[in-house]
Amino acid sequence: KAGVTQTPRYLIKTRGQQVTLSCSPISGHRSVSWYQQTPGQGLQFLFEYFSETQRNKGNFPGRFSGRQFSNSRSEMNVSTLELGDSALYLCASSWGWGVNEQFFGPGTRLTVL
Amino acid sequence: GENVEQHPSTLSVQEGDSAVIKCTYSDSASNYFPWYKQELGKRPQLIIDIRSNVGEKKDQRIAVTLNKTAKHFSLHITETQPEDSAVYFCAASGGSNYKLTFGKGTLLTVNP
Repeated sequence: KAGVTQTPRYLIKTRGQQVTLSCSPISGHRSVSWYQQTPGQGLQFLFEYFSETQRNKGNFPGRFSGRQFSNSRSEMNVSTLELGDSALYLCASSWGWGVNEQFFGPGTRLTVL
Repeated sequence: GENVEQHPSTLSVQEGDSAVIKCTYSDSASNYFPWYKQELGKRPQLIIDIRSNVGEKKDQRIAVTLNKTAKHFSLHITETQPEDSAVYFCAASGGSNYKLTFGKGTLLTVNP
């Protein structure tokens, strides 16, 4: 079974731009969570989607948003990029809501200049 | 919300020694505690997990213990090998909020 995939793997943007990242979960998995990983803050939860609905949200500003499609693929969007948004963005999938075992994708490395 | 503290932040051991990483959590409703291993430049990989109805779980050289009363759980790696070198993250989730809250990570270095 193919693992979680994320595209693109690397992105370079400038301040003020917006960016969209994509995540395809493991086949059959219906829940997708997003995390921001930085050296100083570790892994921080952004949000979780299940059946196209946001079920959980972390403490990030409204510039961070996401959505999930009927095939369970998910996208996250960051608008008005700031230098501090530079990070590794990881998504993780699990087969259902309330199922804690999550499998991570390789991440998208976002650099904001 | 949940808060997870992880110690130590770095750990260096000799090959063959044991390594122990400890985490504490704040939300008594948490009932799921996974451990992830992240090698440099790679994705976090689930290596073992434990639920609150179990006190200990083993998988070959890896074991996790849970003390619900004290709200702490630990990862034990025996007979360490150089390929065990990585960053290890603990996490906790449960109650009405299933999101995983992670510790800050432990950089484990196994010296040959």
